[in-house]
Amino acid sequence: SAVISQKPSRDICQRGTSLTIQCQVDSQVTMMFWYRQQPGQSLTLIATANQGSEATYESGFVIDKFPISRPNLTFSTLTVSNMSPEDSSIYLCSVELAGATYEQYFGPGTRLTVT
Amino acid sequence: GNSVTQMEGPVTLSEEAFLTINCTYTATGYPSLFWYVQYPGEGLQLLLKATKADDKGSNKGFEATYRKETTSFHLEKGSVQVSDSAVYFCALSDRGGSYIPTFGRGTSLIVHP
Repeated sequence: SAVISQKPSRDICQRGTSLTIQCQVDSQVTMMFWYRQQPGQSLTLIATANQGSEATYESGFVIDKFPISRPNLTFSTLTVSNMSPEDSSIYLCSVELAGATYEQYFGPGTRLTVT
Repeated sequence: GNSVTQMEGPVTLSEEAFLTINCTYTATGYPSLFWYVQYPGEGLQLLLKATKADDKGSNKGFEATYRKETTSFHLEKGSVQVSDSAVYFCALSDRGGSYIPTFGRGTSLIVHP
């Protein structure tokens, strides 16, 4: 298994500002993902964080709005830029351990409120 | 593409009742199937998994069997407790097709004493 921490756990931000969320894993993993979970909704994949290269974004998400870094195999950041109230959501980091079963382990999430 | 369909919630039960949450999937390859649970205010936790047809995943009294013929992975528990109240997500990961993990929309379970 893997233990994942995220910082901050929650924040209240003003529109037009940016917030960077950190994700730290206690072991080296190959796959890291960033998800958004809006209130009462399922998970929407934002992007796959690639170590040492640009993230792979899903349809509807762009690098200018959600820049992602992954400088090594245990750490990644997601920035929510130029925020609006529509960005209020829970942001989740997850990792996938190598092996045949491809299960994911999730961080506790960052609850973001934009006013 | 891949997809996961779950029954809509909320599912409301009395303690000790039998639980079934339906999940069906579409995949281009041979997926691994998962159930995750999200307790209030927390991230998702892996509840159980199955990696091939006819496998049964089990944990904490919950079970699900990988049925390839019906493309289903229904979650069951014989006797629910108040502490089982949470949102349950069915998911798949398909290395034969897209590597992107696919989640269902989640089913909220509320258990009353």
